Amino acid sequence: EAGVAQSPRYKIIEKRQSVAFWCNPISGHATLYWYQQILGQGPKLLIQFQNNGVVDDSQLPKDRFSAERLKGVDSTLKIQPAKLEDSAVYLCASSLDDFGTQYFGPGTRLLVL
Amino acid sequence: AQSVTQLGSHVSVSEGALVLLRCNYSSSVPPYLFWYVQYPNQGLQLLLKYTTGATLVKGINGFEAEFKKSETSFHLTKPSAHMSDAAEYFCAVRGSNFGNEKLTFGTGTRLTIIP
Repeated sequence: EAGVAQSPRYKIIEKRQSVAFWCNPISGHATLYWYQQILGQGPKLLIQFQNNGVVDDSQLPKDRFSAERLKGVDSTLKIQPAKLEDSAVYLCASSLDDFGTQYFGPGTRLLVL
Repeated sequence: AQSVTQLGSHVSVSEGALVLLRCNYSSSVPPYLFWYVQYPNQGLQLLLKYTTGATLVKGINGFEAEFKKSETSFHLTKPSAHMSDAAEYFCAVRGSNFGNEKLTFGTGTRLTIIP
């Protein structure tokens, strides 16, 4: 069974630029999560989708971050404009439903200069 | 609301020695508890989880953890460390009921194995 796929794996941008990350969850998983993991910290949930609807985006900085999950499968997370403090690993995870075990992708490591 | 405290951001053990990584949780409802491992430049991999039933949970790679409600702990152990165990380990908690599904992670413990 294929795992959660993410791209790109690494991205370096300058502050005020925009960037987008892509995630393809495990087939059949209705719930998709985006986490931000700052160096030295545990992952922090940014947004949770159930199919193509948002369940929880309470910790998403909505002035610069946006996410969508069209057709309830793939998802993209965008940052515009990026700040230095956005440097982190962005992890995508999926689960069968909102109570299922979460399976994580390899992450996208973002460096903002 | 739920929270997790991992005692010790860095732990070093000799190869073949006991591994003990500590995790204490706080939860307003009966918790579900998880341990994840993260190897360099990789995502998180589930080691084991406790939901209900037996309080001693066995996971992959020889790891196990025991849910102790009286101590609000879920410590991770492995009898004999292997070089391949070097990684970062995260404890996580979520509530067991509707409305408390969000997974909350600890800050992680980096495990180093000494040859």
